[in-house]
Amino acid sequence: DTAVSQTPKYLVTQMGNDKSIKCEQNLGHDTMYWYKQDSKKFLKIMFSYNNKELIINETVPNRFSPKSPDKAHLNLHINSLELGDSAVYFCASSQVGMVGDRRSYEQYFGPGTRLTVT
Amino acid sequence: SQQGEEDPQALSIQEGENATMNCSYKTSINNLQWYRQNSGRGLVHLILIRSNEREKHSGRLRVTLDTSKKSSSLLITASRAADTASYFCATVPYGNNRLAFGKGNQVVVIP
Repeated sequence: DTAVSQTPKYLVTQMGNDKSIKCEQNLGHDTMYWYKQDSKKFLKIMFSYNNKELIINETVPNRFSPKSPDKAHLNLHINSLELGDSAVYFCASSQVGMVGDRRSYEQYFGPGTRLTVT
Repeated sequence: SQQGEEDPQALSIQEGENATMNCSYKTSINNLQWYRQNSGRGLVHLILIRSNEREKHSGRLRVTLDTSKKSSSLLITASRAADTASYFCATVPYGNNRLAFGKGNQVVVIP
């Protein structure tokens, strides 16, 4: 009955490898997000998809490629991993209204994937 | 650019005391939200306050919003050890659908 789930929870890999993180939500939300949280706990948005369409693409190296096969899934693939990619990656989802809409944009977060690049 | 800035960064209190955190932001907003993050976990939404609201309550939480000063405060009354966590404010800037998170406050409640 988990709302937003991510796999794996921990990922330890060497520099130069390619890895993927998967995310699924069963809340029926139409928007999903990837965030990166660094060692100082600063949370930065990376990508957002709305109904399988990319709507937010922050300044992220193109080694990072999100993929949304359907609106309940958003995966993150990372090529040529670097030491600086070590962080906790969070997936989130929300039901989003129109721009300027004052309705709730609360987000539901997954448990996070701790990526360690050695 | 980072929108929310919490203050203070770390707070240590005794169980039963109140904890207050502040957050400032830079641009006009649709709403402001507070989230809690327990160690090793994802963020959990606590409360949302819209730009036309000044105060909101949810259980032991009280949030205020002052749009003229572009600031918000989160008060946790009668704190419990289980309230030990990091607390983040996040804003939805006007004309935007994304959340901009602040740096977070670490709150430690000593039993």
